[in-house]
Amino acid sequence: DTGVSQDPRHKITKRGQNVTFRCDPISEHNRLYWYRQTLGQGPEFLTYFQNEAQLEKSRLLSDRFSAERPKGSFSTLEIQRTEQGDSAMYLCASSPPPGYEQYFGPGTRLTVT
Amino acid sequence: TQLLEQSPQFLSIQEGENLTVYCNSSSVFSSLQWYRQEPGEGPVLLVTVVTGGEVKKLKRLTFQFGDARKDSSLHITAAQPGDTGLYLCAGVNAGGTSYGKLTFGQGTILTVHP
Repeated sequence: DTGVSQDPRHKITKRGQNVTFRCDPISEHNRLYWYRQTLGQGPEFLTYFQNEAQLEKSRLLSDRFSAERPKGSFSTLEIQRTEQGDSAMYLCASSPPPGYEQYFGPGTRLTVT
Repeated sequence: TQLLEQSPQFLSIQEGENLTVYCNSSSVFSSLQWYRQEPGEGPVLLVTVVTGGEVKKLKRLTFQFGDARKDSSLHITAAQPGDTGLYLCAGVNAGGTSYGKLTFGQGTILTVHP
């Protein structure tokens, strides 16, 4: 069990650029969640996959955000035309059936300059 | 909108002291979880409480779930510098397409000085 991994760990980009983050969940975990956390706050839910199906998206997820989990394994989160307000830690978590335990990755810290 | 409020937001204490962190919800969740997060890392699950009135102990940490399942507390006895971190409570959604979705409080930053 290698845990949830996220890549990259840090990303600095200029406003207006596109960025893509990757999350590799624990194998055989069918549920995968993305959260966003700003400094001094708790994580906020962004979106959720069960296998390859995206079942819920938060209202926080504007049209510039898109997430995929094409084969029900790894997932990607893309932000188009980044804005300074997108600067945050992006956390991925996976969960095995049937319980509620979520295992978080170390996060990707995004800085938009 | 379901909200979780934690208090206090910051806590700075000396080694050996006791402390309590509170988590209050505007609505009922199916269960409530407590996480600890260190800088630059993701949250790590400490405990899940499910039943109203439930008390769980994890070494020096005691977790309580209110009878109405809308509030919870975390009590740490004889705090140690290694307890320093961000403590988060999270409500768990059990229904429909929100299955397992977590709603977090804003967190309590605990600093334990040697």
